[in-house]
Amino acid sequence: GQNIDQPTEMTATEGAIVQINCTYQTSGFNGLFWYQQHAGEAPTFLSYNVLDGLEEKGRFSSFLSRSKGYSYLLLKELQMKDSASYLCAVREKAAGNKLTFGGGTRVLVKP
Amino acid sequence: EAQVTQNPRYLITVTGKKLTVTCSQNMNHEYMSWYRQDPGLGLRQIYYSMNVEVTDKGDVPEGYKVSRKEKRNFPLILESPSPNQTSLYFCASSLGSNTGELFFGEGSRLTVL
Repeated sequence: GQNIDQPTEMTATEGAIVQINCTYQTSGFNGLFWYQQHAGEAPTFLSYNVLDGLEEKGRFSSFLSRSKGYSYLLLKELQMKDSASYLCAVREKAAGNKLTFGGGTRVLVKP
Repeated sequence: EAQVTQNPRYLITVTGKKLTVTCSQNMNHEYMSWYRQDPGLGLRQIYYSMNVEVTDKGDVPEGYKVSRKEKRNFPLILESPSPNQTSLYFCASSLGSNTGELFFGEGSRLTVL
């Protein structure tokens, strides 16, 4: 089984940077995903890490350290529309490569 | 347009009245999955399917059934709904179980009275 931890809520100011941490424990790691979910809507894919290091995609970057069981999502130049929940999800080799989600971090961007 | 389509989007029903939530994807994905999302509990997998006629239980399968007779469709069946199945349900698909990200449907909000 898996245990995925991320903070419940974070607040930041428009234009600033926010870092959302995610720690996980798994017996057969096979990739880590970050999704964005606006209230009442479907999750949408943001990033994928399977090897250690930083993946950059515009204003969003994601980092992975497999030895530490740790990832973070970095949101730069925050905009009001970035107010949403951010879900960390880990794919595990067992159980059909199931994707298990953390509880999500709700980010509130203030003017 | 590549998409995952769920129906109905909203449903209020009563305990014990069988219902089916349909899910269809037009991306020729092999892998499909159902999740439910509840406050404080996040997304939890109900059932998944690696391909046609291949389905398996996720973390919370009790009270649900699925079928995968065709590649594009993966309906979720509640034979006898109960109030604890009131939730927001998402269908999702990906190219393979080990390939690509999950694409989610828009969600189906189900209330069982």
